[in-house]
Amino acid sequence: AQSVAQPEDQVNVAEGNPLTVKCTYSVSGNPYLFWYVQYPNRGLQFLLKYITGDNLVKGSYGFEAEFNKSQTSFHLKKPSALVSDSALYFCAVKGRAGRRALTFGSGTRLQVQP
Amino acid sequence: EAQVTQNPRYLITVTGKKLTVTCSQNMNHEYMSWYRQDPGLGLRQIYYSMNVEVTDKGDVPEGYKVSRKEKRNFPLILESPSPNQTSLYFCASSLSGLAGAVGTGELFFGEGSRLTVL
Repeated sequence: AQSVAQPEDQVNVAEGNPLTVKCTYSVSGNPYLFWYVQYPNRGLQFLLKYITGDNLVKGSYGFEAEFNKSQTSFHLKKPSALVSDSALYFCAVKGRAGRRALTFGSGTRLQVQP
Repeated sequence: EAQVTQNPRYLITVTGKKLTVTCSQNMNHEYMSWYRQDPGLGLRQIYYSMNVEVTDKGDVPEGYKVSRKEKRNFPLILESPSPNQTSLYFCASSLSGLAGAVGTGELFFGEGSRLTVL
């Protein structure tokens, strides 16, 4: 079975500081990995994905994520946080065979203080 | 504009009163799916559809039905709603079925439907 863990319910960071939102996964074989963001009263929006190739993936709004196979992690990062980055972030994983659906983590609320 | 449209956005109903939440996408996507979002549990998949007339259960299908008679529409049916189905529901679609090397997994989500069952 595939699973995703987001160990922090909330991450607080000051505007201008770097941010990291953690994600670890469990899946058979090589994974597809994704980050989605949810703003208040909105649906989820795709941020970035890792399919293959470079371990550092760049996405929308200045976000990036680093795939670490040995640690089975896919942490979301941004060098300089903005207040407008405050939202709920979901990590998701899918194996390359079998189950035809994404498994989402429980979400991490990012709060960026001015 | 490419979008996934859900209706209603908000609904309060009573136990046992059948309801349908509609979902429509205008991107000619093959894959559609329903999720429910509950605090601390993230998104859990209810049902999905790989294409017209092809549907399958997700992680939490009990108490729900779906149909896919047309490519663009994927309604979620609660035949006899119960209070434990109070939740925020999202419909999503994707160009392909997320399977194998073809699917990239990028899902497009609707705005959500908040359902309260009393």
